[in-house]
Amino acid sequence: SYVLTQPPSVSVAPGKTATITCGGTNIGRKSVHWYQQKSGQAPGVVIFSDVGRPSAIPARFSGSNSGDTASLTISRVEAGDEGDYYCHVWDSAAVQAVFGGGTRLTVL
Amino acid sequence: QLRLHESGPGLVKPSETLSLTCTVSGGSNRMPTYHWAWIRQAPGKGLEWIGTVSNGGTTYYNLSLRSRVTISVDTSDDQFSLRLTSVTAADAATYYCASQHDPASAGLFDYWGRGRLVTVSS
Repeated sequence: SYVLTQPPSVSVAPGKTATITCGGTNIGRKSVHWYQQKSGQAPGVVIFSDVGRPSAIPARFSGSNSGDTASLTISRVEAGDEGDYYCHVWDSAAVQAVFGGGTRLTVL
Repeated sequence: QLRLHESGPGLVKPSETLSLTCTVSGGSNRMPTYHWAWIRQAPGKGLEWIGTVSNGGTTYYNLSLRSRVTISVDTSDDQFSLRLTSVTAADAATYYCASQHDPASAGLFDYWGRGRLVTVSS
């Protein structure tokens, strides 16, 4: 089955840039979505289809996807960006939705 | 925008069946364009997709759960449901329902319910 690998944690100082990676074999051929989950809340979409951004999400959030790695980049990080971030793809070969293990973003 | 709400027992006994319902509102005329999914999250753990149902009743299940899972949809009542049989402590989790774009179009989960915490205990 298809596996997505994320770092368990990323820490960044306020105002700096955070990059969260999502690794998978030839993930660049798939469409990757990213979700943010704040403590005690349901997840919400921050990036869809590699680079799409919902209208309510600040332009500080961006995505990329190539080769074996997809990335979520958060520029000018704010304290409110803290939470868990999950990548997700649809594995059409296995007809399965697959989530990465999640990355906890800590703002120092 | 769509709103989704999970309902059902918060406590299930081991070996029994977990049953949850998700009610969709705020745009039920859009139901035919969506698929519907259940996703769970064990305490302190990550997200686990359980399965998806289309409005036509086509289902896709997590391979690790498919022998115990049934997801069904009732478009006339704007609801879809989850049944998970023979539960164990490992099934204790917060269960989320979500709307899903057509998996053939990458299957984004765009609207989520708030989640229903289910405990497994005798």
